[in-house]
Amino acid sequence: AQSVTQPDIHITVSEGASLELRCNYSYGATPYLFWYVQSPGQGLQLLLKYFSGDTLVQGIKGFEAEFKRSQSSFNLRKPSVHWSDAAEYFCAVAFNDMRFGAGTRLTVKP
Amino acid sequence: KAGVTQTPRYLIKTRGQQVTLSCSPISGHRSVSWYQQTPGQGLQFLFEYFSETQRNKGNFPGRFSGRQFSNSRSEMNVSTLELGDSALYLCASSDTGSTDTQYFGPGTRLTVL
Repeated sequence: AQSVTQPDIHITVSEGASLELRCNYSYGATPYLFWYVQSPGQGLQLLLKYFSGDTLVQGIKGFEAEFKRSQSSFNLRKPSVHWSDAAEYFCAVAFNDMRFGAGTRLTVKP
Repeated sequence: KAGVTQTPRYLIKTRGQQVTLSCSPISGHRSVSWYQQTPGQGLQFLFEYFSETQRNKGNFPGRFSGRQFSNSRSEMNVSTLELGDSALYLCASSDTGSTDTQYFGPGTRLTVL
């Protein structure tokens, strides 16, 4: 069955530390891949996307993601987290429609 | 360009009533998709409209319906509301469809009592 999985429900990191949020998908072919962020009471904002080409994708706010076909993964990374990065992060895959992972809530400790 | 707008932002209804939510996409976007977001089920795809035609539909009962107008504005209707319909309803617009980059509105928070 087609699915997208975010294994970590909640992650806490210290401000200034590095961050990696995991995303795995299960599809017959490589779908389009996205990362969105949602702050409380807000809609979703696109961080970055992968359609094809270079497997390391740069996004807004200093985020990047790497597509690994062999692992069916599209993990999101940031080298140094800021307190304002605290939010919920969603990985999404688009094949016939767009499907979202369950989300990872990021808490940033001062 | 103005972003995606949704009205109303908050809504309280009682069981059995019906509700209509509205979404105005980014100017020039022809595709509007609707999602339901709940703590238990997460983000679930409801349906997508493109040029006034429903192009894709998620796994929701027939009580959930929608339409799109010639100016790309879209409405979503839920009839015979149930307590479980309480959710944040998000609308997203894109140029070509739900597999393209989607731009989300702030959502309508529906509470069913």
